[in-house]
Amino acid sequence: GAVVSQHPSRVICKSGTSVKIECRSLDFQATTMFWYRQFPKQSLMLMATSNEGSKATYEQGVEKDKFLINHASLTLSTLTVTSAHPEDSSFYICSARVLAGQNEQFFGPGTRLTVL
Amino acid sequence: GIQVEQSPPDLILQEGANSTLRCNFSDSVNNLQWFHQNPWGQLINLFYIPSGTKQNGRLSATTVATERYSLLYISSSQTTDSGVYFCAVFKAAGNKLTFGGGTRVLVKP
Repeated sequence: GAVVSQHPSRVICKSGTSVKIECRSLDFQATTMFWYRQFPKQSLMLMATSNEGSKATYEQGVEKDKFLINHASLTLSTLTVTSAHPEDSSFYICSARVLAGQNEQFFGPGTRLTVL
Repeated sequence: GIQVEQSPPDLILQEGANSTLRCNFSDSVNNLQWFHQNPWGQLINLFYIPSGTKQNGRLSATTVATERYSLLYISSSQTTDSGVYFCAVFKAAGNKLTFGGGTRVLVKP
């Protein structure tokens, strides 16, 4: 199956700093990548859809100036949490959709963000 | 938007037991995926199954699209089957996966 990587897997930062998370599709090209957030014992919540070479589409209630998304190539999307605060602490997961095919999505291993 | 409901929310099994997880959805969909989220948080693709039946080892899945539900069968469960099972549906009009709430499975030795 297709492989999606995320880096870092875990990050701890101070309140007010910015954190960048990378998502890469390792063995396939993805025109569309997705960013999710997951709270403990809850389901995945879609934050935004990222299309290569264009602006991301954010879900209702997600602050686009706080969660900056860049999809510069067919294999890389980044999520930057700007001026992070403790309430931004969460598990962030990216996924990628295969370029050509049946719309199957593959998920990265996730990044656990802790803001002190 | 489309609603996805999974049942049961929690399931405790003795090793070796069989079980059935259900996913109901409120509208017609273009595809459906089942995932297993392991204790480290990784979502593992189990099935891409917009309709019909598929089998992979001890797991199988059936989707009846006309009746808007899908079933995931776990046979001869093992402790490594523990985790959360999610179904997610894709509708082309929305261009995104919508997840159910998940079924948390614990397999006891």
